[in-house]
Amino acid sequence: DTGVSQDPRHKITKRGQNVTFRCDPISEHNRLYWYRQTLGQGPEFLTYFQNEAQLEKSRLLSDRFSAERPKGSFSTLEIQRTEQGDSAMYLCASSRQGRYSPLHFGNGTRLTVT
Amino acid sequence: AQTVTQSQPEMSVQEAETVTLSCTYDTSESDYYLFWYKQPPSRQMILVIRQEAYKQQNATENRFSVNFQKAAKSFSLKISDSQLGDAAMYFCAYRSTLMNTGNQFYFGTGTSLTVIP
Repeated sequence: DTGVSQDPRHKITKRGQNVTFRCDPISEHNRLYWYRQTLGQGPEFLTYFQNEAQLEKSRLLSDRFSAERPKGSFSTLEIQRTEQGDSAMYLCASSRQGRYSPLHFGNGTRLTVT
Repeated sequence: AQTVTQSQPEMSVQEAETVTLSCTYDTSESDYYLFWYKQPPSRQMILVIRQEAYKQQNATENRFSVNFQKAAKSFSLKISDSQLGDAAMYFCAYRSTLMNTGNQFYFGTGTSLTVIP
């Protein structure tokens, strides 16, 4: 169990640019989640994959956000035409099958849009 | 969506003392799961303890225990013999068992715990 890995740790970008984040889950976990966390708030659900299938997306997720998980392994989260309001910590988490299975989080990617 | 409320933005405790963090939630479901997560400064979020709603017995993990009051929809976390390493942000989380929403964890806004030496 090497833990959930996220890259990069920090990203500073100018408004209007596209950014892509990567998440490598724990290898035996088939579930992968993306959450967003802003200062003083708890994590907010963005999207969820079971294997390679994206099964849920938050209604709050604008069409500028897209996520993929090819082959059910690592996942990428892309934000197009970034806005200052996108500045946040983006957390990836993975879990085993089973509703009692807890989430295992990565260290997150902190995005700053200038 | 389910609502999870943590009414204490900040708490402090003397080292070796006991502290209780509160969490309430709003749901119409009878079966669900509850979790407490810890997020140390600049470090990843880790699971502290979890509870299944259909189990009446309160969960315990070493110095951490919960007081689960299902009727009151309350899920407080008690930390005994507080240590400096317990200083962190603590998040309460709810997970449904329903098929259409059961993949989401709903988090509270967190309680920042300071441990005073």
